[in-house]
Amino acid sequence: GENVEQHPSTLSVQEGDSAVIKCTYSDSASNYFPWYKQELGKRPQLIIDIRSNVGEKKDQRIAVTLNKTAKHFSLHITETQPEDSAVYFCAAGGNAGNMLTFGGGTRLMVKP
Amino acid sequence: GAVVSQHPSRVICKSGTSVKIECRSLDFQATTMFWYRQFPKQSLMLMATSNEGSKATYEQGVEKDKFLINHASLTLSTLTVTSAHPEDSSFYICSAPSLGQGLDTQYFGPGTRLTVL
Repeated sequence: GENVEQHPSTLSVQEGDSAVIKCTYSDSASNYFPWYKQELGKRPQLIIDIRSNVGEKKDQRIAVTLNKTAKHFSLHITETQPEDSAVYFCAAGGNAGNMLTFGGGTRLMVKP
Repeated sequence: GAVVSQHPSRVICKSGTSVKIECRSLDFQATTMFWYRQFPKQSLMLMATSNEGSKATYEQGVEKDKFLINHASLTLSTLTVTSAHPEDSSFYICSAPSLGQGLDTQYFGPGTRLTVL
């Protein structure tokens, strides 16, 4: 089955700096890679996703890159703000309708 | 985006009782729904895939007789934790994929926090 590794487990940055979270996956058949933001006690919220036919996708301050050859994908948050503080999860799946395997999560702390 | 609801949001029960959790897709149909469990400060672990009109598919290590899943309609899946014990205390979250019409992704319910005394 799929195995997703996520690093770092915790990340502390100063407000305005950039944050990068990296994930690797094992199953070459995976072609859907969403990123979720989860605040304490709440549901994971989709913030951006990418499919295997795309190498990079950007949405305002958030961008995701995908390297299928190396089986890794990354989340980039620029100009971080305190409200970006949360736990971020990467995931991998066959497509959006299939089960997702989640990474271990990254606790991001943005210091004002 | 699509909306998935879950009920109840929080439940406290005594050891040995059964608890039913409902997951509904409010504005789309879902032939498949997924049930996850999340322990404090840990990731989401897939428990089972709920299939409308057929048996659920359970992940390795998840007891199907303890975690009963019923997907009776295209908008409702239920998870029943039978004979709950303190070690079953966790955050249970369902998700449903919304496919097509530009909503090709998975959406999560708000979760149910189960505490077994």
